[in-house]
Amino acid sequence: EADIYQTPRYLVIGTGKKITLECSQTMGHDKMYWYQQDPGMELHLIHYSYGVNSTEKGDLSSESTVSRIRTEHFPLTLESARPSHTSQYLCASRGVAYNEQFFGPGTRLTVL
Amino acid sequence: QQQVKQSPQSLIVQKGGIPIINCAYENTAFDYFPWYQQFPGKGPALLIAIRPDVSEKKEGRFTISFNKSAKQFSLHIMDSQPGDSATYFCAAKPQGAQKLVFGQGTRLTINP
Repeated sequence: EADIYQTPRYLVIGTGKKITLECSQTMGHDKMYWYQQDPGMELHLIHYSYGVNSTEKGDLSSESTVSRIRTEHFPLTLESARPSHTSQYLCASRGVAYNEQFFGPGTRLTVL
Repeated sequence: QQQVKQSPQSLIVQKGGIPIINCAYENTAFDYFPWYQQFPGKGPALLIAIRPDVSEKKEGRFTISFNKSAKQFSLHIMDSQPGDSATYFCAAKPQGAQKLVFGQGTRLTINP
């Protein structure tokens, strides 16, 4: 089983709040990814990182930001949450030698 | 934009049947084709993957068939069980890229 963790698992907040979704992996993977997914629907890549101090925007425009100060940690921040941000956010990581992406359990975000 | 088109969107099969999920891609510069399985409330997990120099790969009850000339690949589940009920995603990795392009997902239900 992959060692990739996301917290919180569920979050309900009001509009305008700043939030940070945490993602950590203990596998030493250099590549990490954030996806947005409505439950059971298509995965949309919103951010990715190839290593420390490297971040790129994904295929789906997002108002969130990410940082990669440590290899194992890839947090995602929303400065001002809106109801349109309500979704599931999945974090994934991938090692150098393999193509497989390992996914975390996801954070289900609801913005009221 | 590189795309992977997945069908059907949903599929219901009786226990023991052989569900088939299809994916088609529009860009020949893909070099890795994985299938992911996702249960409700969980992140996707790699099920099986294939490279374009192979026409078929089997792992247990799961088989990928790959048709390079038609730019299509499919997932077959032999002797399907209710525990196989999940959402399945195909994906493709562009050559030289470090990210995956996902299909739209298929919600599979295996009735007892």
